[in-house]
Amino acid sequence: AQSVAQPEDQVNVAEGNPLTVKCTYSVSGNPYLFWYVQYPNRGLQFLLKYITGDNLVKGSYGFEAEFNKSQTSFHLKKPSALVSDSALYFCAVRLPNTGTASKLTFGTGTRLQVTL
Amino acid sequence: DAMVIQNPRYQVTQFGKPVTLSCSQTLNHNVMYWYQQKSSQAPKLLFHYYDKDFNNEADTPDNFQSRRPNTSFCFLDIRSPGLGDAAMYLCATSNPGDQETQYFGPGTRLLVL
Repeated sequence: AQSVAQPEDQVNVAEGNPLTVKCTYSVSGNPYLFWYVQYPNRGLQFLLKYITGDNLVKGSYGFEAEFNKSQTSFHLKKPSALVSDSALYFCAVRLPNTGTASKLTFGTGTRLQVTL
Repeated sequence: DAMVIQNPRYQVTQFGKPVTLSCSQTLNHNVMYWYQQKSSQAPKLLFHYYDKDFNNEADTPDNFQSRRPNTSFCFLDIRSPGLGDAAMYLCATSNPGDQETQYFGPGTRLLVL
């Protein structure tokens, strides 16, 4: 079965500290991996993606993620958290061989709480 | 600005009364998706259109239908809403030259009384 796991329901971090939001995946073939952020009562906003190439991917708002094939992980990171980063974060994987439409499977989400 | 627009942002309907949610896009993307998201859970894909080709997910209830009259618009019809259909409904599109990235609208929150 193809799936995405986000093992932490919530991550708490102080402003200015580094943050990590964890994601692991299980999929046949070479995965396409994504991170999206969702603010309250809003749609999802694309942060970054890994398709191929460099394992370290840089995205919006200073976020980055590292693809680790041996650990089947794609953790989201930021060197210095901001209070405004507080939101719900979703990891997603594109199922391979799904034709021309990008059918994504999402993780259950991790709520990031950044405090002063 | 090019974007994905969903109207209304909040919709209240009565148990069993048909309701339609709308989505429009100015991105000229050929793929449009509808997701259901309950209580901060993961979005669940209901169906998608590739141009006019409709693709239903196997576990999407028959109560949910969709129409795409043209490239810009896509509608979600719930024929007989139940209390369990109360959720946020998200529309998304993807780029013909960049099929991997989906662009989401702000969502419509549906309340069923």
